[in-house]
Amino acid sequence: AQKITQTQPGMFVQEKEAVTLDCTYDTSDPSYGLFWYKQPSSGEMIFLIYQGSYDQQNATEGRYSLNFQKARKSANLVISASQLGDSAMYFCAMREGWGGETSGSRLTFGEGTQLTVNP
Amino acid sequence: SAVISQKPSRDICQRGTSLTIQCQVDSQVTMMFWYRQQPGQSLTLIATANQGSEATYESGFVIDKFPISRPNLTFSTLTVSNLSPEDSSIYLCSVEGVSGQPQHFGDGTRLSIL
Repeated sequence: AQKITQTQPGMFVQEKEAVTLDCTYDTSDPSYGLFWYKQPSSGEMIFLIYQGSYDQQNATEGRYSLNFQKARKSANLVISASQLGDSAMYFCAMREGWGGETSGSRLTFGEGTQLTVNP
Repeated sequence: SAVISQKPSRDICQRGTSLTIQCQVDSQVTMMFWYRQQPGQSLTLIATANQGSEATYESGFVIDKFPISRPNLTFSTLTVSNLSPEDSSIYLCSVEGVSGQPQHFGDGTRLSIL
């Protein structure tokens, strides 16, 4: 069974500093994808970044990077140069069977981390 | 990525009534998904909607309570029936495009029950 764990219910960071949001996962499927989403208070889910289990390099998208440690089964999100607009809930998610046919495999979400950026 | 329009963005409904949520995508997609997010909680998948076949429901969700339609490759509806206060949640649709692409979400429907 899939399982995603986010152990930080809340995190605080000063504006312009970097912050790491933790995510660990558990799966027996060798092929999987890991995703991070941002949910502002308005409720929409915004896709940020993803990492495939076979990807050799850590994913990066602008100020977002994913610290993927396969042996430790962790996929931490790093946000550099935090901005006030980064204050939101962040969800880590996983899909098994990633990279193959679109089989409708569900996304399993962690409980989320509420990030607050202080001025 | 696909542009997803979800309607309504929010609604307040009376107990015992039903609400139908629409999800429109600007391109043809194979799989559409419906999620529920109860207050202060994470997202839980309700069902997967594949065009031309019955929706596949997750454990704890039944068709009588959450009927889903998927008439074509760009549109789906979720109805939440016989509303009770426990149905107060954000409901989100998402789509999965070609293999290797992440799911993208609509803006969600915030439902409150009086």
